[in-house]
Amino acid sequence: SQQGEEDPQALSIQEGENATMNCSYKTSINNLQWYRQNSGRGLVHLILIRSNEREKHSGRLRVTLDTSKKSSSLLITASRAADTASYFCATETGGGADGLTFGKGTHLIIQP
Amino acid sequence: KAGVTQTPRYLIKTRGQQVTLSCSPISGHRSVSWYQQTPGQGLQFLFEYFSETQRNKGNFPGRFSGRQFSNSRSEMNVSTLELGDSALYLCASSLVAIPYNEQFFGPGTRLTVL
Repeated sequence: SQQGEEDPQALSIQEGENATMNCSYKTSINNLQWYRQNSGRGLVHLILIRSNEREKHSGRLRVTLDTSKKSSSLLITASRAADTASYFCATETGGGADGLTFGKGTHLIIQP
Repeated sequence: KAGVTQTPRYLIKTRGQQVTLSCSPISGHRSVSWYQQTPGQGLQFLFEYFSETQRNKGNFPGRFSGRQFSNSRSEMNVSTLELGDSALYLCASSLVAIPYNEQFFGPGTRLTVL
């Protein structure tokens, strides 16, 4: 079953604009991670935020986590054509029984 | 360091056949996890191996099995293939898996069942 749900399912913006995508989840987590996938290939880890953290930055990426609302957001600033990809949030709930639980992803298209 | 490698990259099989997929983790990584990705169900956890032992298994039928060798390389096997098994199969490696921190994914094996 899906733990995380990304919103929106698809997003198209102009190069240079900022892109924001959201993730909601259902149960308590140890950490939440964001991954990028280009065109049906392997996933690339972007950033991990732990349940006791509220915000994290990595280059042009900013992730926030609100455990009271069970939600997270990923902001990509100054988008580039190379950012065109699908973005997934994945939650780690502890115990390992479910591995990482992924949402269905947001497909981001950056228009040149 | 070389990344996670998966072989083969593409496979076409017919219903009823069986298939074996291979994954070589990053050197030094002892945990290998497998995921199935389909358009309908998204990414779903299959199982995870650590030091040749299956530690966790997702909600998949017994037709899906795997193993890990002493060099941490892993194989997954699907027997009696069904059309619904058509998917991208991804493996991921990490130093340790529990808790699941950053996972390094391979490029995947695209399986088509006809």
